[in-house]
Amino acid sequence: GAGVSQTPSNKVTEKGKYVELRCDPISGHTALYWYRQSLGQGPEFLIYFQGTGAADDSGLPNDRFFAVRPEGSVSTLKIQRTERGDSAVYLCASSLGPVSSYNEQFFGPGTRLTVL
Amino acid sequence: AQRVTQPEKLLSVFKGAPVELKCNYSYSGSPELFWYVQYSRQRLQLLLRHISRESIKGFTADLNKGETSFHLKKPFAQEEDSAMYYCALKSSGNKLVFGAGTILRVKS
Repeated sequence: GAGVSQTPSNKVTEKGKYVELRCDPISGHTALYWYRQSLGQGPEFLIYFQGTGAADDSGLPNDRFFAVRPEGSVSTLKIQRTERGDSAVYLCASSLGPVSSYNEQFFGPGTRLTVL
Repeated sequence: AQRVTQPEKLLSVFKGAPVELKCNYSYSGSPELFWYVQYSRQRLQLLLRHISRESIKGFTADLNKGETSFHLKKPFAQEEDSAMYYCALKSSGNKLVFGAGTILRVKS
């Protein structure tokens, strides 16, 4: 079956613009995660959805970042007034339930965001 | 604080040599630890989890609570093992905390 997909694969924008990044999880996966990976670093947690609700958004760096998952499937990460420091690869992952040793987390290919 | 440390950015070995990728963690409680791998131009994928105590592609990792370590080992490296390896810890908040990663380069 299809894995986690993310669109676009690359996004170049100008400082101050608004961007939306989309994630399509594996069908039936109730848990969805967003991570951000900066150059030379491991993925860093942003937000976790269980169904439609954000169960943990403690990783969002500030109020310019927002994410939704209105129907419990597709999720959109929204970034307002982008800054050059937002440049990174944004990863989405999904799992049958909250990630654990019994619920493998499957990652998408990522969206590379470049803010000029 | 929950933290994962991978001290080596790059590990370069010859084909057939043993490999050990180091991982240390900081966590109060019973940790759940994982190794993820990212091959060139592929997505991040799970390699193994400590709870299963299995060998995947010849790799094993033992949890050492006394040393708070979860090093990844393989007795004989192969060229196809060249990749980026991340150690990860499941935090108390149902999310993963990743180390910075180690690039493994296996030379022929």
